Amino acid sequence: NAGVTQTPKFRILKIGQSMTLQCAQDMNHNYMYWYRQDPGMGLKLIYYSVGAGITDKGEVPNGYNVSRSTTEDFPLRLELAAPSQTSVYFCASSYSIRISNEKLFFGSGTQLSVL
Amino acid sequence: GQQLNQSPQSMFIQEGEDVSMNCTSSSIFNTWLWYKQEPGEGPVLLIALYKAGELTSNGRLTAQFGITRKDSFLNISASIPSDVGIYFCAGQRDETSGSRLTFGEGTQLTVNP
Repeated sequence: NAGVTQTPKFRILKIGQSMTLQCAQDMNHNYMYWYRQDPGMGLKLIYYSVGAGITDKGEVPNGYNVSRSTTEDFPLRLELAAPSQTSVYFCASSYSIRISNEKLFFGSGTQLSVL
Repeated sequence: GQQLNQSPQSMFIQEGEDVSMNCTSSSIFNTWLWYKQEPGEGPVLLIALYKAGELTSNGRLTAQFGITRKDSFLNISASIPSDVGIYFCAGQRDETSGSRLTFGEGTQLTVNP
């Protein structure tokens, strides 16, 4: 198993550009998440999904969109990139929503800079 | 929103020393988790705690779930250079309300050989 795979690893965007961060998992996990990590800060939840076709907002959803057409894929879309979206983005997945029973598996991150 | 205060922010220690870090919250959490993040990688779960007062070890790592359910502690004994990384605490308040893990700001650990 590859686990959680994120692409790209690095990206530089100009203000106003759009892009999609890709995330795929091959563990047949129902639950997938997108977090952002700013320097010196913990991870903040952007969006999450409890299964194909179902998504919900996290703590910091503004400026982002997600879709979940398959169990495996959970792309994150930035429509109009802003400097405030410069961050490291992590995708994660879990089998159960009960974190106490199941691990949260993280991808290796996407470093995004908006200039 | 809920906030976890993690301290210290950073630590510089010599190989062989013991390390302690903690996380406190104004809210009660029912699950406490400790993660380690190495450069260029996502966080990896080290220890999970499920009950107030619980003390759990994973090799040289020991974590405790505070009695008040508002804090947790992580200790690393006899540190080695590969312990370098950022350590995050995370709490889950309610298993049934969605996966709303709240993360601390992290403790950057540097171990000098």
